[in-house]
Amino acid sequence: GENVEQHPSTLSVQEGDSAVIKCTYSDSASNYFPWYKQELGKRPQLIIDIRSNVGEKKDQRIAVTLNKTAKHFSLHITETQPEDSAVYFCAASRFGRGSTLGRLYFGRGTQLTVWP
Amino acid sequence: NAGVTQTPKFQVLKTGQSMTLQCAQDMNHNSMYWYRQDPGMGLRLIYYSASEGTTDKGEVPNGYNVSRLNKREFSLRLESAAPSQTSVYFCASSERTRLAKNIQYFGAGTRLSVL
Repeated sequence: GENVEQHPSTLSVQEGDSAVIKCTYSDSASNYFPWYKQELGKRPQLIIDIRSNVGEKKDQRIAVTLNKTAKHFSLHITETQPEDSAVYFCAASRFGRGSTLGRLYFGRGTQLTVWP
Repeated sequence: NAGVTQTPKFQVLKTGQSMTLQCAQDMNHNSMYWYRQDPGMGLRLIYYSASEGTTDKGEVPNGYNVSRLNKREFSLRLESAAPSQTSVYFCASSERTRLAKNIQYFGAGTRLSVL
């Protein structure tokens, strides 16, 4: 099955700096890569995603890049703010027909702390 | 729209007791999932149901059973709870979108302690 590795496990940055979280995946057939944010005591929520036919996607201060050849993708947060402090999870999915497809394989998460 | 609703929010069990975690979604999604979250381990899939009438094992199914009661409801049962099952449990649901995405919507979680 798919194996997703995520680094670093913890990340501390000063407010206003950029943060980068990296993930690698093992299954070259994976074609959908979402990122979820989980604030303390809350549920995970999707913040951005990318499909394998796209190399980069931006949404205001967050962006995701994908390198299919190297099988890695990254989350970039610019101009970080204290409210960005949370656990971030990457995931990979092989989306298509069949009951086992579409399942998300999650990385272990990155605790991001933004200091004011 | 409530989204995904889990009950109970908190539960304390003694070793060997049984209980059922309930999950219901009102988004008419076909797929539903049960995860457990432990510190440093991320979200690990216990069981999932791609559609009504089907269930499949995830990464960590031992000690759990599931029932997809209908399209809305997916329950998780612990037959004989063990301290290793102390965790936060999340239910999620999803539907394939026209853009071929699999956005999962999570419930608020159940915090379970087994003594």
